[in-house]
Amino acid sequence: QSVLTQPPSVSAAPGQTVTISCSGAYSNIGNNYVSWYQQLPGTAPKLLIYENNRRPSGIPDRFSGSKSGTAATLGITGLQAGDEADYYCGSWDSSLSSGVFGGGTKLTVL
Amino acid sequence: QVQLQESGPGLVKSSGTLSLTCVISGDSISSNDWWSWVRQSPGKGLEWIGDIYHSGTTNYNPSLKSRVTISVDKSRNQFSLKMTSLTAADTAVYYCARVNNFYYYMDVWGTGTTVTVSS
Repeated sequence: QSVLTQPPSVSAAPGQTVTISCSGAYSNIGNNYVSWYQQLPGTAPKLLIYENNRRPSGIPDRFSGSKSGTAATLGITGLQAGDEADYYCGSWDSSLSSGVFGGGTKLTVL
Repeated sequence: QVQLQESGPGLVKSSGTLSLTCVISGDSISSNDWWSWVRQSPGKGLEWIGDIYHSGTTNYNPSLKSRVTISVDKSRNQFSLKMTSLTAADTAVYYCARVNNFYYYMDVWGTGTTVTVSS
């Protein structure tokens, strides 16, 4: 069981907007930064969002991140077929002194 | 461009020891970053194994701590993972990654290496 909690799956039609939630505790999300990763089938994870809401160069502004208290959210607007992937949130847990991930959310573009 | 490349045996025996290496190119292991191992069992999510700073300081997943050792080889610009007492549950794709020191995010990942534990 993962330290951070994500919904197993979300789905939406092309062009629509979807959000993926990530719930944690004060020791991780509440007191540390959140990052998000996209994993396309058969490939390594790729950094999508860091420092809660910042995008690495090359990541389109259709992807956004936010954090409030002990929860974080990834938003994707203008959904495209190529966005179909697994998405993971991550953070540092100060109590465990370890990195932690969410269980992952599978995004299906209908 | 920073690249990480994992290497190691694809097949290891149950109760044995796994040794993996991650070679860094385009960056120095002595930079102000941490270096991490993450694994993914078939059909499952990401599991953080541990990380290391070039000074040798390490952090480990509490659930794996008794079986895992991460070390640094500055002369070869690489870091390694050793995991003992393997079981089928350790069958996974193992990734190495560079971790930002201040905000703890993994910005560079290796392509991953598949490890199968056989009885």
